Amino acid sequence: GQQLNQSPQSMFIQEGEDVSMNCTSSSIFNTWLWYKQEPGEGPVLLIALYKAGELTSNGRLTAQFGITRKDSFLNISASIPSDVGIYFCAGQFNFGNEKLTFGTGTRLTIIP
Amino acid sequence: GAVVSQHPSRVICKSGTSVKIECRSLDFQATTMFWYRQFPKQSLMLMATSNEGSKATYEQGVEKDKFLINHASLTLSTLTVTSAHPEDSSFYICSAPLAAKETQYFGPGTRLLVL
Repeated sequence: GQQLNQSPQSMFIQEGEDVSMNCTSSSIFNTWLWYKQEPGEGPVLLIALYKAGELTSNGRLTAQFGITRKDSFLNISASIPSDVGIYFCAGQFNFGNEKLTFGTGTRLTIIP
Repeated sequence: GAVVSQHPSRVICKSGTSVKIECRSLDFQATTMFWYRQFPKQSLMLMATSNEGSKATYEQGVEKDKFLINHASLTLSTLTVTSAHPEDSSFYICSAPLAAKETQYFGPGTRLLVL
């Protein structure tokens, strides 16, 4: 199946640093979602974006829906140890009752 | 709190046996649920869309006779892996939207190991 390209694949940062990751698609999506997954668990929704150009924050997390509708970005400011995990973007053509196409994931590791 | 549950959380079975995994929506009705599979260090790949009261829709390359899906009620979808083989060992995750125009929430996943 189709997957979205997510970069970087992995990040090793120190606590307190800011993090940026992005997701690109060859297709247009009308909804972009960002999830975090911890080992052995299902993904947990972080931010949902519904409109091209939209910028939405959730605490230290900020995500943007690209103007072209083919990309999205996630930033984490002042990282803390509990930010460790795998971050996935997901695109959806129509919101809600429709399947998600997931990105390849960005694994975030925080160096003590 | 959790809005979607899965049972069991992990299962080990012998090759050739069948395994049933349940996905339940908690305190809401879900006419549609989705089943994903995730291999180690990989992303989630959609297997099928489970539709209450009708046949599931399978993604290309997913064998419908091997991965049986039953969505018999508005709060329960089941995935049965028939004649499981070691290559079916994976993390199976379901999701459901709270409503037709709501975000999807994921279950905690089921780890399947086929020996």
